[in-house]
Amino acid sequence: QLQLQESGPGLVKPSETLSLSLTCTVSGGSISSGSYYWGWIRQPPGKGLEWIGSIYYSGSTYYNPSLKSRVTISVDTSKNQFSLKLSSVTAADTAVYYCARLGWYFDYWGQGTLVTVSS
Amino acid sequence: EIVLTQSPATLSLSPGERATLSCRASQSVSSYLAWYQQKPGQAPRLLIYDASNRATGIPARFSGSGSGTDFTLTISSLEPEDFAVYYCQQRSNGLTFGGGTKVGIK
Repeated sequence: QLQLQESGPGLVKPSETLSLSLTCTVSGGSISSGSYYWGWIRQPPGKGLEWIGSIYYSGSTYYNPSLKSRVTISVDTSKNQFSLKLSSVTAADTAVYYCARLGWYFDYWGQGTLVTVSS
Repeated sequence: EIVLTQSPATLSLSPGERATLSCRASQSVSSYLAWYQQKPGQAPRLLIYDASNRATGIPARFSGSGSGTDFTLTISSLEPEDFAVYYCQQRSNGLTFGGGTKVGIK
């Protein structure tokens, strides 16, 4: 059974120089198996879902245009992980961040991790 | 960006009743639309893909229909575990989600 697990700091200070960094570890399957992208989605408290971006095992990425200038997604196939970096964070970036497998749609999800941006 | 508008925002129904949820796209997405269910404190779960195909393990009481700009998720007879928030998502041009419909107990 494929499982995804997010990890990273739960509290980040607002800053134009600091980034929000999260990692998703995939188990029960290989991130390099092909046929799938791997993505990040976030959900502010009490609000809806927002796709952040996705990556293929080869490193090919595509991002939500509204976040593209601040987002970097990378992959480490040797560790079966992919990562999110979001720069210039503000309180508006406070959300539960999910990682998920993307075939044509998001069919496997991590449990999510709450990241709070606050001084 | 394709905007997905879901209606109603909230639906109050009793167990056993039929639920009809709507998702309207700002431009045609063909049949490239999915529905997800999210319960409090949980990640979303894929229910329907490509407008009308049930995902693995999804009960037959869930059905999807539509194409182009207008889509419907129908739950034929609500079970207690179906009270949740439902989101639509398109993959025709980028990836966007609708704002959600909460199905609550009347």
